[in-house]
Amino acid sequence: QKEVEQDPGPLSVPEGAIVSLNCTYSNSAFQYFMWYRQYSRKGPELLMYTYSSGNKEDGRFTAQVDKSSKYISLFIRDSQPSDSATYLCAMSASGELTGGGNKLTFGTGTQLKVEL
Amino acid sequence: GAVVSQHPSWVICKSGTSVKIECRSLDFQATTMFWYRQFPKQSLMLMATSNEGSKATYEQGVEKDKFLINHASLTLSTLTVTSAHPEDSSFYICSATSGGGETQYFGPGTRLLVL
Repeated sequence: QKEVEQDPGPLSVPEGAIVSLNCTYSNSAFQYFMWYRQYSRKGPELLMYTYSSGNKEDGRFTAQVDKSSKYISLFIRDSQPSDSATYLCAMSASGELTGGGNKLTFGTGTQLKVEL
Repeated sequence: GAVVSQHPSWVICKSGTSVKIECRSLDFQATTMFWYRQFPKQSLMLMATSNEGSKATYEQGVEKDKFLINHASLTLSTLTVTSAHPEDSSFYICSATSGGGETQYFGPGTRLLVL
């Protein structure tokens, strides 16, 4: 069993729809949770960063963390064609220090396509 | 802020040659840099972690003599793929973090094709 599970998609939605992306994990030590967006042939871009449980909102994006269920979500409101990309969840545990930075464990990514 | 660059963006080389990829943090000092490899439709796989001025820490299954990493300054790390073979063809991405932060900022990636 992988430490982080993420549905690879592809997920296709109409423009303006609310998108829900999810990851589950098995390592209860994970404390830091991130969502990255990766366009084709580009490096990942950090979208959201949360620590422990709770919600965080930034513009059209909302990240939710439910540590009791080991489940995290990213919601995209009013989705746009420019949101079409692969969305990667990533997480790390406090204490997994590598001399200055925590190692991240990534999901496989969900490919999202927002259609006109 | 938090911009990371990589050079080259793509490279094609013959089997048996060595290729060097540079990763630079442009507007912050990167105490730690990470090197990842990503195959098509797969997630990022961590290859190694490098801290400025010390030897890199390699993940299990990654040959340290094949993938040479140097982190000589707080803004530059290099990955050298030695004696490259077609199976080394992949998308190589670096990331950087500063001062013990949990957030990693990624470079745009380098696509390597070994013929």
